[in-house]
Amino acid sequence: QVQLQESGPGLVKPSETLSLTCTVSGGSISYYYWNWIRRPPGKGLEWIGYIDRSGRTNYNPSLKSRVTISIDTSKNQFSLNLNSVTAADTATYFCARFGGHFDNWGQGTLVTVSS
Amino acid sequence: SSELTQDPAVSVALGQTVRITCQGDSLRGYYASWYQQKSGQAPVLVIYGKNDRPSGIPDRFSGSSSGNTASLTITGAQAEDEADYHCGSRDNSDNHLVFGGGTKLTVL
Repeated sequence: QVQLQESGPGLVKPSETLSLTCTVSGGSISYYYWNWIRRPPGKGLEWIGYIDRSGRTNYNPSLKSRVTISIDTSKNQFSLNLNSVTAADTATYFCARFGGHFDNWGQGTLVTVSS
Repeated sequence: SSELTQDPAVSVALGQTVRITCQGDSLRGYYASWYQQKSGQAPVLVIYGKNDRPSGIPDRFSGSSSGNTASLTITGAQAEDEADYHCGSRDNSDNHLVFGGGTKLTVL
């Protein structure tokens, strides 16, 4: 059973860059699409973007100008960078595997944007 | 990009049947998938494809689709089904992915 685990700072200052890493265990990262998804407090899920094993990316148009997703297949990890953050980026961030549907999710990590 | 629309909240009496809907243009071409999210937990896939359930999901959960509307039906709702339910789908263009706003299900 594939497991995903997010890691990174829980507090980021406004205007700085939010950086998270997702470590995949129990399976290879060489297949599927690897995603970042977030849920702001009191709101629904928002898809941020995905990357495949070749490094091809696809981002939510509303976040595209601030998002970079990268992959390190040797470490079975993929990462999220979101720059110029504001309080509106405060959310629980999830990494998830997509192969037609999101069948494996990390437990999520709360990131708060505050000075 | 496309949007998916869900009712914000639905309630059901214990043991009764409830339908949660998801509307969007992209659903005319792509199946919705459905995710159950309990407070403080990660979402869990409950329905995907035409009407498929991952291993471990009770058969009281079922899915259907007609036109631009996808539905998740819980037949004989249990107290443990109280959760937020999110639909998801591919977008109509550029292979983007999209979620509905989520429906909070209360079991009375």
